Amino acid sequence: QKEVEQDPGPLSVPEGAIVSLNCTYSNSAFQYFMWYRQYSRKGPELLMYTYSSGNKEDGRFTAQVDKSSKYISLFIRDSQPSDSATYLCAISNQGGKLIFGQGTELSVKP
Amino acid sequence: DAGVIQSPRHEVTEMGQEVTLRCKPISGHNSLFWYRQTMMRGLELLIYFNNNVPIDDSGMPEDRFSAKMPNASFSTLKIQPSEPRDSAVYFCASSPDRADQPQHFGDGTRLSIL
Repeated sequence: QKEVEQDPGPLSVPEGAIVSLNCTYSNSAFQYFMWYRQYSRKGPELLMYTYSSGNKEDGRFTAQVDKSSKYISLFIRDSQPSDSATYLCAISNQGGKLIFGQGTELSVKP
Repeated sequence: DAGVIQSPRHEVTEMGQEVTLRCKPISGHNSLFWYRQTMMRGLELLIYFNNNVPIDDSGMPEDRFSAKMPNASFSTLKIQPSEPRDSAVYFCASSPDRADQPQHFGDGTRLSIL
């Protein structure tokens, strides 16, 4: 079993839709949770960073962590064509390395 | 502020040649990471340095791969001899201090070994 599992998609939605991206993890010691966005032919860029259960909001983006279920989500409201990218979750424990999900490819159609 | 800078952006070379990838981390960042990204395996950590010292190289695939960090502002990843299966995008990233902190990535080197 992989330490971090992420549905690779691809996921295609119409502009304005709410997008839900998800990851599950196996190690309850993980305590830092991140979402990265990667545009084609670019490096991953940090979108969200959290270390507690619950929700964290930043504009149209909401990161949700459920430690009891070992489940994290990224929600994108009012999705735009410019949100089309691959989204990677990344998880670590204190002093450990980041472990990345496989990435979900998202396409937002005008 | 300048981000992580990698060179070259693209490299095409023949099997058996030596390949050297270069990285300049964000100034003031103490940790540097080399990753490889492929469709099949996703983003894999090859090696990371803290304060210029290699801390974990367990992801380096074999002895053909080597990495150095001679000072806080420069690192290299070398493949010698290169093989077609080394074709991938190689990313360098840096973080302020620890490996568990958010990392800032360069735009990668797209490597093709013919």
